[in-house]
Amino acid sequence: AQSVTQLGSHVSVSEGALVLLRCNYSSSVPPYLFWYVQYPNQGLQLLLKYTSAATLVKGINGFEAEFKKSETSFHLTKPSAHMSDAAEYFCAVSEQGGSEKLVFGKGTKLTVNP
Amino acid sequence: GAGVSQSPSNKVTEKGKDVELRCDPISGHTALYWYRQSLGQGLEFLIYFQGNSAPDKSGLPSDRFSAERTGGSVSTLTIQRTQQEDSAVYLCASSPRGRGLYGYTFGSGTRLTVV
Repeated sequence: AQSVTQLGSHVSVSEGALVLLRCNYSSSVPPYLFWYVQYPNQGLQLLLKYTSAATLVKGINGFEAEFKKSETSFHLTKPSAHMSDAAEYFCAVSEQGGSEKLVFGKGTKLTVNP
Repeated sequence: GAGVSQSPSNKVTEKGKDVELRCDPISGHTALYWYRQSLGQGLEFLIYFQGNSAPDKSGLPSDRFSAERTGGSVSTLTIQRTQQEDSAVYLCASSPRGRGLYGYTFGSGTRLTVV
């Protein structure tokens, strides 16, 4: 069965600094990988997804993530944080050809300091 | 519709009462999912519908929880004899097809508080 580990339940950065949110996955078959963002009192919005094409995936709002099979990682980055990036971020995995459901990590809350 | 719609947005109920939560998926999306989000626990899968059938209901925590979907569209999640531990945000999502490839579109959720 697939699983996701997000290192760091809280991450704090200064405005303009690099954002790095870590995600490691476990899957017995090639995975599909996703990052979602959740703003306060809202549902989840898809940031980007990896579906076995390019390993470097670009998403909305300047975020990108790189799939590294050897490290079983799919870390989310953004070169320069904005105040509006403050939110909770969830990494998720589903198995190609396997169960239909997405399995989510526990989330990382990003704080951006002025 | 343009997005996934959930109602009510907030529900406060007394312990022991039954509640119904509604989800209207995006028109044409055949796959529908229910998740539960508790503080600090991430998102917990409850049940998956493909059309009107539920090939995966492995996440329903007890027999007090049930869900149905009619007309390949609207879904209702019912919790009977609510308990305080049922307090959470219940999220519904839909997808064009039942494959993880497409990701999901989520609704804004129903915040359930059992007092």
